[in-house]
Amino acid sequence: EDQVTQSPEALRLQEGESSSLNCSYTVSGLRGLFWYRQDPGKGPEFLFTLYSAGEEKEKERLKATLTKKESFLHITAPKPEDSATYLCAVQPYGSSNTGKLIFGQGTTLQVKP
Amino acid sequence: DTAVSQTPKYLVTQMGNDKSIKCEQNLGHDTMYWYKQDSKKFLKIMFSYNNKELIINETVPNRFSPKSPDKAHLNLHINSLELGDSAVYFCASSPGTRREQYFGPGTRLTVT
Repeated sequence: EDQVTQSPEALRLQEGESSSLNCSYTVSGLRGLFWYRQDPGKGPEFLFTLYSAGEEKEKERLKATLTKKESFLHITAPKPEDSATYLCAVQPYGSSNTGKLIFGQGTTLQVKP
Repeated sequence: DTAVSQTPKYLVTQMGNDKSIKCEQNLGHDTMYWYKQDSKKFLKIMFSYNNKELIINETVPNRFSPKSPDKAHLNLHINSLELGDSAVYFCASSPGTRREQYFGPGTRLTVT
């Protein structure tokens, strides 16, 4: 069964303290892996798509990487405005014609000033 | 400019009632979706439409009936609401089934 597990469930950082969020997946062939950010009371906001192992994407203080079994979202020198829930989702090859994404449960990040 | 919009933002209703949620996207996308996010923030797909045609129905009770009058709109009608239907419902759209999805602000449904 296709599955996505994110860790840790919650993470508290001091401003400027870099860290990484993990997304482990089990799928019958990975078509793509997606990272989203969700603020309280809002819809998920698209961050990155990764398609193949070894691929990396960056945006401001965020960097996403992908291996054959997991993805990491590295946060460098975070600021309080980076506080949010970060969601990871995978699209198996078998779902690529339907658009189906399988989401993890998310990591809630809190950055204190 | 709002890319994906939903109405209403909040919906409070009693068990047994029928309600609808509307979704519109102005991104020109061909594919639209409905997701349900439960109290534990777990996001699960319900329906997927491509060019107004249903392509996913993820074992959702037939009390839920989506309708796509055109490519820019996807509405969700729910009959005989139950307590377990309480959740946040998100509409999303994408430029094809293999691309990133853009989500609306969500509709918080509370069934009492």
